[in-house]
Amino acid sequence: LAKTTQPISMDSYEGQEVNITCSHNNIATNDYITWYQQFPSQGPRFIIQGYKTKVTNEVASLFIPADRKSSTLSLPRVSLSDTAVYYCLVGPYSGAGSYQLTFGKGTKLSVIP
Amino acid sequence: GAVVSQHPSRVICKSGTSVKIECRSLDFQATTMFWYRQFPKQSLMLMATSNEGSKATYEQGVEKDKFLINHASLTLSTLTVTSAHPEDSSFYICSAPEAQRTEAFFGQGTRLTVV
Repeated sequence: LAKTTQPISMDSYEGQEVNITCSHNNIATNDYITWYQQFPSQGPRFIIQGYKTKVTNEVASLFIPADRKSSTLSLPRVSLSDTAVYYCLVGPYSGAGSYQLTFGKGTKLSVIP
Repeated sequence: GAVVSQHPSRVICKSGTSVKIECRSLDFQATTMFWYRQFPKQSLMLMATSNEGSKATYEQGVEKDKFLINHASLTLSTLTVTSAHPEDSSFYICSAPEAQRTEAFFGQGTRLTVV
């Protein structure tokens, strides 16, 4: 599985857009990029997944450049409830297959009032 | 859809006793489930892969005789921490893939405290 590098922590004020970048230089052709959110004492929750270009859903956008060696999770207008740890994971999508996930250290986002 | 439920959410046990944690896929079948452990301020570490109807696969360094895993049905996997010690105190999380989805689904986690 490709190794990922993310900032350890980030601070943001409420209402601002937050961009968290993840580096994955060794991403393989069949790897997807997936972001999870984890609140204290809870299991991770899926945010967004993409393969290339841009993906947007109701909570976030994911920007992936052409070389796919990095990706950026964008959270629009964050609120205090977005304070959490965000994990970037890179690995192959194998349908109902492994999903044996390798978590990095993640980025602890603190939203300030 | 695709809900994974863990029980209990927190448990306190005495040193030397055993504790069972359940992981259920509520609205889908899961032939495979994964068990993770997370120590304070650290990331999730995969402990083992639970396979329905067969033996679990343990990651290097995880004692299979201490962390017993049973996956007796397509919706239930259990993790039993045997002869628990204070160093086993941690946050245990299970996850299960759903066949039609590309993301993993996680339980809410179980906080184990061994006193």
